[in-house]
Amino acid sequence: KAGVTQTPRYLIKTRGQQVTLSCSPISGHRSVSWYQQTPGQGLQFLFEYFSETQRNKGNFPGRFSGRQFSNSRSEMNVSTLELGDSALYLCASSLEVTTGELFFGEGSRLTVL
Amino acid sequence: AQTVTQSQPEMSVQEAETVTLSCTYDTSENNYYLFWYKQPPSRQMILVIRQEAYKQQNATENRFSVNFQKAAKSFSLKISDSQLGDTAMYFCAFMKMSNTGKLIFGQGTTLQVKP
Repeated sequence: KAGVTQTPRYLIKTRGQQVTLSCSPISGHRSVSWYQQTPGQGLQFLFEYFSETQRNKGNFPGRFSGRQFSNSRSEMNVSTLELGDSALYLCASSLEVTTGELFFGEGSRLTVL
Repeated sequence: AQTVTQSQPEMSVQEAETVTLSCTYDTSENNYYLFWYKQPPSRQMILVIRQEAYKQQNATENRFSVNFQKAAKSFSLKISDSQLGDTAMYFCAFMKMSNTGKLIFGQGTTLQVKP
C-alpha cells in the first residue's frame, strides 16, 4: 500500500507570493491533517479534514487555508507569504476509527526569500 | 489547553546500551492517547509506540517500551539495545480521543547512538 505522498518536496517562493501544497493520503484513509515544523516553534497543528470538512483548526492566521477533495486528497494554501512561513509542512493521514495513529508524508520544504 | 514537555533537547547513548527519553504533559482530559514518534534525519516521521490513557499496562514494541504514569502525567520512552538506526529526533505527542488528527507535540529530543 502506498504511503502518504506530498508534492512538491521542495519549493522556493518570495515574500508576498502564495503557495499550494498537495497531499495524497494512504488509500482508505479519510482524515488528513497538516502540520508546520520549524526549528523555533517545533511541530504545530494547522488543520484537519475529514470527508471534505474541516474538523479541527490550529492557531494560524487566515492566510493559511486548506481543503479536501472527494477522493480524500488535500491541499493547503498559504497566501501573502512571509519569511516566517519558511518551514517543513507535513501532511498525515489516518483512518476514522479512533486508533489515533497518524501516518506522515515526507513533507514539503518551503523556503520564503 | 494541553501541553507536552520534553526536557532533554539532546541525548546520546552507546550502541547496545539502554536510554530513556522523558516526557511530561498537562491535560484535564481523561480519555487520550500518547505517542512517541521518530523522525530520522531527512526522513519521514514514523510512529514508535502508542499508549491509550485508559490502559494501565505499559505499551511495548520490541526494543521500545514506555513508562506511563497517569497521575504524574509522565510518559517516558525506554530504548533497549540501542542501534545506530535509532539515531533520530524523537517527539512525544498527545491526542484527545475525541480529536483524532490533532496531535500536540513536545519540542523533541535528538538522540545520537554512538558506535
